[in-house]
Amino acid sequence: AQSVSQHNHHVILSEAASLELGCNYSYGGTVNLFWYVQYPGQHLQLLLKYFSGDPLVKGIKGFEAEFIKSKFSFNLRKPSVQWSDTAEYFCAVSKTGANNLFFGTGTRLTVIP
Amino acid sequence: NAGVMQNPRHLVRRRGQEARLRCSPMKGHSHVYWYRQLPEEGLKFMVYLQKENIIDESGMPKERFSAEFPKEGPSILRIQQVVRGDSAAYFCASSRLDRGLGSNQPQHFGDGTRLSIL
Repeated sequence: AQSVSQHNHHVILSEAASLELGCNYSYGGTVNLFWYVQYPGQHLQLLLKYFSGDPLVKGIKGFEAEFIKSKFSFNLRKPSVQWSDTAEYFCAVSKTGANNLFFGTGTRLTVIP
Repeated sequence: NAGVMQNPRHLVRRRGQEARLRCSPMKGHSHVYWYRQLPEEGLKFMVYLQKENIIDESGMPKERFSAEFPKEGPSILRIQQVVRGDSAAYFCASSRLDRGLGSNQPQHFGDGTRLSIL
């Protein structure tokens, strides 16, 4: 069965620190990969997505993610976090051509001013 | 607000009652998805619908749960005879029509309905 693992449940950083959130998935076929963010009291918003092509994907708000096929990973990065990045981050995977998303359990990021 | 609209935001039911959750997709979107988020867990796919059709219900519990997306009106997720374990946040997402195999359209999410069972 397909699954998505986010190993960091809660990450606490100071402003300007660099961020990397891990995401690994288990599925041998072709996948589409997503990172969603949920700010407090808001709905999930798409940060970035990978369908094909350049494995380094740039998203909104300075976030990027790198797809490493050999490691089944799609880690999210940001060089310098801000207090406003405090949110919950979800990695999601879908099989290419399928429509349902498989989500990780989420990583809560707290940025201290 | 042209986003995905879910109502109600909060719904309280007693055990044995019925819960109806509504979702209006974004304008121009013809695909609707329902997900459930239990406390301390990630979102779990339940069902995928297009107008008047259930495309994939592999994540739906076999009993008490049903979903529809009629030709007119919102998509409805219906839970009959609710139990405590149904307490969760239920999220709806919508997307445009896929243009071809391998071209998944990003899903846009609503604010969710938080269902509490007394």
